[in-house]
Amino acid sequence: DAGVIQSPRHEVTEMGQEVTLRCKPISGHDYLFWYRQTMMRGLELLIYFNNNVPIDDSGMPEDRFSAKMPNASFSTLKIQPSEPRDSAVYFCASSQGARLNEQFFGPGTRLTVL
Amino acid sequence: GDSVTQMEGPVTLSEEAFLTINCTYTATGYPSLFWYVQYPGEGLQLLLKATKADDKGSNKGFEATYRKETTSFHLEKGSVQVSDSAVYFCALSSGSARQLTFGSGTQLTVLP
Repeated sequence: DAGVIQSPRHEVTEMGQEVTLRCKPISGHDYLFWYRQTMMRGLELLIYFNNNVPIDDSGMPEDRFSAKMPNASFSTLKIQPSEPRDSAVYFCASSQGARLNEQFFGPGTRLTVL
Repeated sequence: GDSVTQMEGPVTLSEEAFLTINCTYTATGYPSLFWYVQYPGEGLQLLLKATKADDKGSNKGFEATYRKETTSFHLEKGSVQVSDSAVYFCALSSGSARQLTFGSGTQLTVLP
């Protein structure tokens, strides 16, 4: 079984550019989570979805960040415009509601904004 | 709000040494508790979990016991291996919430 798939694995961009990160959750999972990991702030939950509907986006840092889940097998996290302080590793995770909170993480996207 | 406090790292041990990584929590109600592990260049993986007081989670030689009286969930392993080198995260989920609250992570390095 394929795990959570994220693309790209690495992204280097210049300040002001739009960045789109992609995630394919595990088939059959009804929850999807986006996290950001930095040395300074650790692992932060940005937003999560249930059955493709955003449930809690209180962790999204500002309006430059947006996330969508158009269907059960795909989600995007977009940053527009990007800034150097957005440099981090972004993880997507998915879980099945019936299995108490066991989240399966993707390999992450390492974003560098110059 | 909910929070998780982990012992500061990094932790460096010799192979076959005993490992303890401390974790304490603050939460409303009766949370579920988890340990996740992150190997270099990878995402987090669930290592073990406990869902009620006095439960012991175990996996791959690691153990942690849910102690409600001390609000703790310390991770232990009797004999670490070089392959255990990773970052370990304690986490909780309280009530009906699906999201996890993570600690800051503890870097473990095991030397041969």
